[in-house]
Amino acid sequence: QVQLVQSGAEVKKPGASVKVSCKASGYTFTSYYMHWVRQAPGQGLEWMGIINPSGGSTSYAQKFQGRVTMTRDTSTSTVYMELSSLRSEDTAVYYCARSVDSSSSDYWGQGTLVTVSS
Amino acid sequence: QSALTQPASVSGSPGQSITISCTGTSSDVGSYNLVSWYQQHPGKAPKLMIYEGSKRPSGVSNRFSGSKSGNTASLTISGLQAEDEADYYCCSYAGSSTPVVFGGGTKLTVL
Repeated sequence: QVQLVQSGAEVKKPGASVKVSCKASGYTFTSYYMHWVRQAPGQGLEWMGIINPSGGSTSYAQKFQGRVTMTRDTSTSTVYMELSSLRSEDTAVYYCARSVDSSSSDYWGQGTLVTVSS
Repeated sequence: QSALTQPASVSGSPGQSITISCTGTSSDVGSYNLVSWYQQHPGKAPKLMIYEGSKRPSGVSNRFSGSKSGNTASLTISGLQAEDEADYYCCSYAGSSTPVVFGGGTKLTVL
């Protein structure tokens, strides 16, 4: 069965970077794009970007341009999302989600809580 | 402010039907048949309920249906059940520059 397993919770100081991993299993890793979506405490869903695991191409939301980097390792079927220059407003649960079409996602990781605090 | 506009809350009694609207623009909802809807229970990851406007993934109850008129998409839940109480988010493709936009979410309360 399809599974997306994310790395554990992180606590970071303002200005630091965080790298969240998402290991896929149960399907052909390179056949499906992967979205990254975040959700701040008590808030809605926010799209961050998408990566094509086959060629590694990416597209990022304008809000995160210059601060986010999405990569993949096909040998381990893992995608990564790195967010730099962290600030308190980046405190959120970060999800990876397998893309069905250009915008929707059928399988989601369990989420990774990133807390930014001094 | 979210790109797509949803009502903050809706409510209904068990057995009733409710509809949640999702209003976008001619650059997103109005231009593409790529609206999706997610259900999210507290502390859980979102679950895809509708994609490509009206398609249901395998395993999703046929009580959930999606439609679109102009720049507004809608999710209808018929025969409301207690377990339908959750937050619902719409999502749309919005073109190559900012491919994905979400609505702000709607809290459904089953009375």
